Amino acid sequence: SYELTQSVSVSVALGQTATIPCEGDNIESENVHWYQQKAGQAPLLVIYRDNKRPSGIPERFSGTNSANTAALIISGVQAGDEADYFCQMWDTDTGSAVFGGGTKLTV
Amino acid sequence: ELVESGGGVVQTGESLRLSCAASGFAFTDFWMSWVRQSPGKGLEWVANIHLDGGEEWYVDSVKGRFVISRDNVKKSLDLEMRGLRAEDTAVYYCARAQKYCGGGMCRHWYFDLWGRGSQVTVSS
Repeated sequence: SYELTQSVSVSVALGQTATIPCEGDNIESENVHWYQQKAGQAPLLVIYRDNKRPSGIPERFSGTNSANTAALIISGVQAGDEADYFCQMWDTDTGSAVFGGGTKLTV
Repeated sequence: ELVESGGGVVQTGESLRLSCAASGFAFTDFWMSWVRQSPGKGLEWVANIHLDGGEEWYVDSVKGRFVISRDNVKKSLDLEMRGLRAEDTAVYYCARAQKYCGGGMCRHWYFDLWGRGSQVTVSS
């Protein structure tokens, strides 16, 4: 089955740019979606289909997907961005969603 | 908004039914899903159900034990869980699923609205 690999943690200084990678075999052939989960809260969709932002998500959030790595990019990081971030794709071979293990962003 | 209910503590082998009340959107326009989260396994998709309830998808680990259903009049989504195991212990989220096409197939989903979750604990 398909696997998505994420770094356990990423640290970034306030106001800088955070890049959170999500690795998978030829992942560029699939659409990748990103969720933010703050402590004690439900996940929130922040990027869908590689680089699209849902209504209400700041422009500071963007996404890329190339070769074997998709990435969530957060520019001008704020203290409120501290959270766990999960990538997800749909595996048509198994007919199931696949989630990465999550990356804890520390500001 | 999505609001789950029905979680609790059960013994191995017992059953439990989760419910999710939807409001604020056209419920009948969307596939719906259950996604669970346990400390050891992160997020795991559990099941999807078609707009009219006529099609269901399940992760292999729950096939034959869990049943997803919906009531479009009441705008509610259910998950009937039988033969519960310790590994089913998790927070269960109700989620709205957005379908999209890719690679010539229209069998892909992501989740654009989530409930707050309901804790299910299976004790041996």
